[in-house]
Amino acid sequence: SQTIHQWPATLVQPVGSPLSLECTVEGTSNPNLYWYRQAAGRGLQLLFYSVGIGQISSEVPQNLSASRPQDRQFILSSKKLLLSDSGFYLCAWSFTGGPYEQYFGPGTRLTVT
Amino acid sequence: DQQVKQNSPSLSVQEGRISILNCDYTNSMFDYFLWYKKYPAEGPTFLISISSIKDKNEDGRFTVFLNKSAKHLSLHIVPSQPGDSAVYFCAASAIGYSTLTFGKGTMLLVSP
Repeated sequence: SQTIHQWPATLVQPVGSPLSLECTVEGTSNPNLYWYRQAAGRGLQLLFYSVGIGQISSEVPQNLSASRPQDRQFILSSKKLLLSDSGFYLCAWSFTGGPYEQYFGPGTRLTVT
Repeated sequence: DQQVKQNSPSLSVQEGRISILNCDYTNSMFDYFLWYKKYPAEGPTFLISISSIKDKNEDGRFTVFLNKSAKHLSLHIVPSQPGDSAVYFCAASAIGYSTLTFGKGTMLLVSP
């Protein structure tokens, strides 16, 4: 069976500091990978997705970037955090070519102070 | 432009009764629809899905209905249980696309 891991679970960072959130998937090969953000009281906003190593699509222009250095590893980064980057960050995966269900990790609560 | 809309931010239901959560969409290219359940501080959990070639899909206490002409789908939970209290997200996908479009969610509260 497949498992998705995200860490850290919570993070408090000062404005202007860098960020690195990591996500890994086990039990499948060549998954589609996704980063979402849920701001307080809001829905799920897709930030980035990847259909293969080194292939990153950005959905929203912002202060963040993503990388996929290995098949089942997805990293969300920022060079300098803003207050508006606070939120609940979720990584998800799906099978390549369908079905379309996405499976989510446990999330990272990021607070920028 | 919101392509997937969940117009009810919240819903309260008594235990044992039916919960009906609604979702509307505007994009005619959507052909696959999903419902997710989310508890606070956790990732969403996939519940049930339906393809546009069907109008109903059932899994235990959960049934999803799709009305393509009205661009409307609904999730029925029968009977509702207190453990069903969570935020429910509707999502949709278009053929050939790798992404999902989510609604803003409906918070369901099931009281004993």
